[in-house]
Amino acid sequence: NAGVMQNPRHLVRRRGQEARLRCSPMKGHSHVYWYRQLPEEGLKFMVYLQKENIIDESGMPKERFSAEFPKEGPSILRIQQVVRGDSAAYFCASSHSGAPTYEQYFGPGTRLTVT
Amino acid sequence: KQEVTQIPAALSVPEGENLVLNCSFTDSAIYNLQWFRQDPGKGLTSLLLIQSSQREQTSGRLNASLDKSSGRSTLYIAASQPGDSATYLCAVRLEETSGSRLTFGEGTQLTVNP
Repeated sequence: NAGVMQNPRHLVRRRGQEARLRCSPMKGHSHVYWYRQLPEEGLKFMVYLQKENIIDESGMPKERFSAEFPKEGPSILRIQQVVRGDSAAYFCASSHSGAPTYEQYFGPGTRLTVT
Repeated sequence: KQEVTQIPAALSVPEGENLVLNCSFTDSAIYNLQWFRQDPGKGLTSLLLIQSSQREQTSGRLNASLDKSSGRSTLYIAASQPGDSATYLCAVRLEETSGSRLTFGEGTQLTVNP
């Protein structure tokens, strides 16, 4: 039973390029959360998605960032026109339900470096 | 707005020592609190999950306590080992009907010296 998968594990982009981060939830999980960990900081919530729906994007920067979780395939976090300040570790978590009863399971993260 | 604070930010102890990590949160209307371990360059490993109705949880050498009314939790590590060296994060989940995001503290970086 594979855990949460994220790829790539490391991603290097030049300023102005696009970054696409993928997250495959655990089998049977249809709820996905994205968190960002800036250098020397704790994890901060970004967005919560169910299949084909964005439920809560209150933690997403207003510009350049978008997320989706299609009916088929992984969840995608897209960052357009990356800047140095986007360099961080991006973690995905999945759960069976959005209710607080259900634990979130974390992936290994994608470490984005913007040069 | 829920804020989570962890003290100390860093801790260095000799092997074998018992130690306590502290976590405080501003909004006591939490559903549960979770302690994680994060190794450098790695993801998060869940250590202990305490429901708001519970006072403590134990797993091996780890014991986590929760005082919801005062907004505090502690993680007690007995007989520390060099392999315990990592960053320890606490996170709370609010009493929400949907979403229930985790709000994290900034972590305590623990070094256990042989």
